[in-house]
Formats: sequence, structure tokens, C-alpha cells
Amino acid sequence: QVQLVQSGAEVKKPGASVKISCKASGYPFYNYFIYWIRQAPGQGLECMGRINPSGGGTNFAQKFQGRVTMTRDTSTTTVYMELSSLRSEDTAEYYCVRLAADFWNRFYFDYWGQGTLVTVSS
Amino acid sequence: QSVLTQPPSASGTPGQRVTISCSGSSSNIERNTVNWYQQFPGTAPKLLIYSTDQRPSGVPDRFSGSKSGTSASLAISGLQSEDEAVYFCAAWDDTLNLWIFGGGTMLAVL
Repeated sequence: QVQLVQSGAEVKKPGASVKISCKASGYPFYNYFIYWIRQAPGQGLECMGRINPSGGGTNFAQKFQGRVTMTRDTSTTTVYMELSSLRSEDTAEYYCVRLAADFWNRFYFDYWGQGTLVTVSS
Repeated sequence: QSVLTQPPSASGTPGQRVTISCSGSSSNIERNTVNWYQQFPGTAPKLLIYSTDQRPSGVPDRFSGSKSGTSASLAISGLQSEDEAVYFCAAWDDTLNLWIFGGGTMLAVL
């Protein structure tokens, strides 16, 4: 079965970086883009960007340009998201999410990782 | 502030039908399909409706989706206590070049 299993919770100081992993299994790794979406406590969902596991190409939301890096390791079918220059507003649950498409190429997020809580506090 | 607008809360009694709205614009809902997610406290969102009106396997047919113009709706009929959750709408925005979400609607079953 399709699974996205993320690394554990992190506590970081302002200005530091955090790197979260997301191991994919149960489907052809190369065939589906992976997005990173975050959710601040009690808030809505925010899309950070995506990685194409096939070639490693990335696209980021303008808000995160220059602060976010997304990579993948094809040998372990794992994707990574690193966010730098952390500030308190980055405290959130971070999810890796698989992008699927229907027969008419209309897109949606079908499988979500369990989430990784990142707390930024001095 | 979310680009898609949802009411922060909704409620109904068991057996009732409730609808949750999601308002957008010509660059998102009007041009693209809408997806809905259900989220219980402390868990990841789960896909509920995709491509505006399609249900993934395992989702009861009590849940249905629709859209008209720049707005979309999620309807839940035969409301049950286990439907208490937060519901989010999502769509691709052609201007922002980004997936956008509603702020979420917390559904209470009274």
C-alpha cells in the first residue's frame, strides 16, 4: 500500500535550519510529484513547493524562495525538505503529499505523510 | 489569510444535510477543479472529494461536491457524529501558479 513516512519532530532555534525526510513506498517513486504543505497550529494549509522525483526538478512558492531546498534520494525513495533561517512563524506541522491525476489530467493530493512538527523557539 | 474563503464553522444534527461553501475567483475555482479534505484533530488531512465531484473509493456517498462559477460546495447528507472534523477546499491558482486552500470549516454535529 502507498505510504509516506516522515521523520520525527524537531525543535530548532531561530536562525537555524531543519531538514525533514519523507520515505515513499508502495508505488513507482518516479511517477508522482511530491509536494510539501505546512499547517501552523490551529491554522489552514499552505503549499511550499514540489519536487519531481524523476529528474529532481523543483518549484517553490515565492514566499519560500531562497529559504527552501527540496531533494530526493532515488536509491532509498526518500525526499527531503530543508528550510533555513527559521523564525517563530515557521512553527508548524509539515506534510509531504503525493500529487495524483485522474483520467482527464485533473490533479489532487491523494496520500499524505503523517506530518512532522517543527517548533522554532529560543 | 487564505485565498479561498470558507465559513469558519458549520453545524447540524444527526441525519441532517449540511453544506460547506468555498469561494474563490476566476483564476482558481472557475478554471480548475476543486478538491476537498477532511481532517481530524492530530491527524493528516484525508482526501474526501477530488476533481470537484468525485469520491475516492471508501468515501461514503453521503459526501458530494459541486461547483458553480467561482464557488464550490461540499454537501454531507445523513450527518453522523463521526463527521465532526475540519474540512478544507483546495484548487490550483493559474495566476499565483500555486495550490491554494481554504481556511477550513469546523463541522460540529450537535
